[in-house]
Amino acid sequence: GAGVSQSPRYKVAKRGQDVALRCDPISGHVSLFWYQQALGQGPEFLTYFQNEAQLDKSGLPSDRFFAERPEGSVSTLKIQRTQQEDSAVYLCASSPARMVGVYGELFFGEGSRLTVL
Amino acid sequence: KQEVTQIPAALSVPEGENLVLNCSFTDSAIYNLQWFRQDPGKGLTSLLLIQSSQREQTSGRLNASLDKSSGRSTLYIAASQPGDSATYLCAVPNGANSKLTFGKGITLSVRP
Repeated sequence: GAGVSQSPRYKVAKRGQDVALRCDPISGHVSLFWYQQALGQGPEFLTYFQNEAQLDKSGLPSDRFFAERPEGSVSTLKIQRTQQEDSAVYLCASSPARMVGVYGELFFGEGSRLTVL
Repeated sequence: KQEVTQIPAALSVPEGENLVLNCSFTDSAIYNLQWFRQDPGKGLTSLLLIQSSQREQTSGRLNASLDKSSGRSTLYIAASQPGDSATYLCAVPNGANSKLTFGKGITLSVRP
């Protein structure tokens, strides 16, 4: 596709439900990041993949959060037993570069807005 | 731990004004600094990337400068337009292949 695609764009969940958020990166992009953005805040890092390998998951706030990228393209962020504090926009970003910190080419999707009631 | 600060949180200016948005960071050992734009309900769009060896980058009416030693960057917007209204975020990478640390952003409103 032309850009990073995320679905669903909006998700309302009752507290305790499980949710799955999908990210379709730009074709051929090696690196994929998930960020969490609370209202009025900057994005906060959650996890990073290089192809199918999850190289950094230090930002995942609890073991209720799980991310995968089994074939090195599409990624899914799963949140189990959602809580109100999980309400946020979840942004996915991809890059053709492995060393994203050096080359900086990062393309963001429009995000999935999760509201937990 | 790297911390990125953007002050003020919001700014309102009349159309046509030149303006400066500030960004500061605590750890000067960075590869680069990036400025992003975020429109309401949208993702982030990269505006300018300044490598650590550079002092400034320009794109159209935008000019970004970087002073690593003092831990500061500025984004200069010339002749602001209502279409420039958005949130502007700066970010620095934590390592070569790693995550970005973002500021909270500055929400700019340009009044016609």
